[in-house]
Parts: sequence; C-alpha cells; structure tokens
Amino acid sequence: SQTIHQWPATLVQPVGSPLSLECTVEGTSNPNLYWYRQAAGRGLQLLFYSVGIGQISSEVPQNLSASRPQDRQFILSSKKLLLSDSGFYLCAWSGRTGPEQYFGPGTRLTVT
Amino acid sequence: AQSVTQPDIHITVSEGASLELRCNYSYGATPYLFWYVQSPGQGLQLLLKYFSGDTLVQGIKGFEAEFKRSQSSFNLRKPSVHWSDAAEYFCAVGGSEDSSYKLIFGSGTRLLVRP
Repeated sequence: SQTIHQWPATLVQPVGSPLSLECTVEGTSNPNLYWYRQAAGRGLQLLFYSVGIGQISSEVPQNLSASRPQDRQFILSSKKLLLSDSGFYLCAWSGRTGPEQYFGPGTRLTVT
Repeated sequence: AQSVTQPDIHITVSEGASLELRCNYSYGATPYLFWYVQSPGQGLQLLLKYFSGDTLVQGIKGFEAEFKRSQSSFNLRKPSVHWSDAAEYFCAVGGSEDSSYKLIFGSGTRLLVRP
C-alpha cells in the first residue's frame, strides 16, 4: 500500500531563516506531487505541483520554491522566511490513473 | 472560472441526527468531485469521489454524496452523525484536461456535534 511522509511535524523558525520541508511517498511510482498551504481557519492553497522529476509548476508567486530531486521526493524551501509564511503545509500525491489526491500528515510552521 | 463554494462555514448537529453539507461547483469540463475530512492538526482523508456513472456515491464512515449536474452540486450526507464525525469537511473539484490532476478546494465546513 502507498504511504506518504512529511517531516518535520512541527517547526518554529525566526524571520529571515531558511526552510526545508520534505515529503516522500512510498509504494507507488511516477506520482504527481503537490504542496499546499493552509492558513488558520482557511482552505487549501495550492503552492506547487510536479508531474515528474525536475518538473515544478508554481501556482502563486511567493517566497517559497519547490524541488523534486527524486521520483518520490518533494521538497519545499525558502531562503528567507517571512512572518506570512506561517501555516500548515500539506503534501499530497496522485497516481497516473486518477485525480484523487492522498495527503500527508502535514507540517505546522510558525515563523517568529 | 473554476471554483467550489461551501456556503456553510459552521454547522452544528446533535449526535444521532442527520447531516447534509452543501457544495456547489463551477467547472468548464466534466468534473471529478471529492469530499475530504480533516481532523484538527491532521492531513486530509478522502471520504468519497465521483467520476462518472451512478450519481449517488458511497464513501467511508457511512457518508454518501449525490451529484446533481443541473444544480452543479455535490452535497455530502450522513443519516446519523456520531460524535467522532466532528471535523472540517472539504469539497473539491478537478478534471483530466491535463496530466496535472490539480484540484480546487472549497473553503471548508466545520462540523460540531452536540452530545
């Protein structure tokens, strides 16, 4: 069966510090991968998606970037965090045969 | 424009009562429709999905949803709510126009269950 991991689970970082969040998927090949941000009490905002290694599409201009160095690894990064980057970050994957997405447990990021 | 509207921000029901959460969508092509549930501090769990065929779909945890094309709706229902159903529920729409399979999510409905 497929599983999706995210780490760390929680993170507190000062403004201006770098960020690296990691997401890995097991039990599937060539998945589509997605990064979402969920602000407190709000819905999900799609940040990036990837249909293959090295292929990254950005949905919104922002202070963040994404990379996919391996087929089942998706990384969200920032060189300098802003207060507005605080939120709950969710990674998801979908298979090639259907659009349903499966979500990881999320990372709670607090920028102080 | 493609969008999903969940008109109810909060809904409170008594345990054992029936539930209906509303979802309306706007999508230019044939939609794929989903309901997800999120407990506090957790990721989203897929409850059910509609791709084609029978417009009444069954999901996990006793939930069902009905696709009504004429009303652009995909409402979620449960005949008898349990206290453990208290959570946030998200409706989503997507399609297969390209290989990205991106989804558009509604803003969510928070369900509170009275004992």
